[in-house]
Amino acid sequence: DTEVTQTPKHLVMGMTNKKSLKCEQHMGHRAMYWYKQKAKKPPELMFVYSYEKLSINESVPSRFSPECPNSSLLNLHLHALQPEDSALYLCASGRDTSSYNEQFFGPGTRLTVL
Amino acid sequence: GNSVTQMEGPVTLSEEAFLTINCTYTATGYPSLFWYVQYPGEGLQLLLKATKADDKGSNKGFEATYRKETTSFHLEKGSVQVSDSAVYFCALSVSNQFYFGTGSSLTVIP
Repeated sequence: DTEVTQTPKHLVMGMTNKKSLKCEQHMGHRAMYWYKQKAKKPPELMFVYSYEKLSINESVPSRFSPECPNSSLLNLHLHALQPEDSALYLCASGRDTSSYNEQFFGPGTRLTVL
Repeated sequence: GNSVTQMEGPVTLSEEAFLTINCTYTATGYPSLFWYVQYPGEGLQLLLKATKADDKGSNKGFEATYRKETTSFHLEKGSVQVSDSAVYFCALSVSNQFYFGTGSSLTVIP
């Protein structure tokens, strides 16, 4: 299995809702990443998990809360989002955070906040 | 600091034309370099990579050579197809961080 899966594919939520994005990989990778991508822009790094521990938080607002329950799963919990948070959220994994290793991306969750 | 610069503006080519997308970088240390492709409505797919100077990455007819002397990693393909229409991102990885260029949109017309 050489892919990263993400669910749901699309999500529409109101500003008072609580929802979660899920990401899964079965490649034995020990680094997992959340990115946010706006239209016609490159991905922006949000969080990095290394060996299930949060190693980088790129000053992301607390309404985004990551969780890594085990080495295969990565969640992103959403609460009280704003319309400007609407974007494509991409999950990625890598063998580890070494600079030699490429990242493998999932297809993304298209989030719309009303 | 670390950064990636890609050529500005969308690129439109006719089928079977030669493609070059320029990418230059600045980095402290010894980066690895990557090209990713993103088709409409999808995530990023790794196209090719190079981990040290003079390495050539290649895949699906695309090539890029890691040039340390010019700090470049230009993407080339000898004959593009309509199916190559996508956004291409150059990226570097150094000190356990990934840095993406702004992306280059390619449209290939029949």
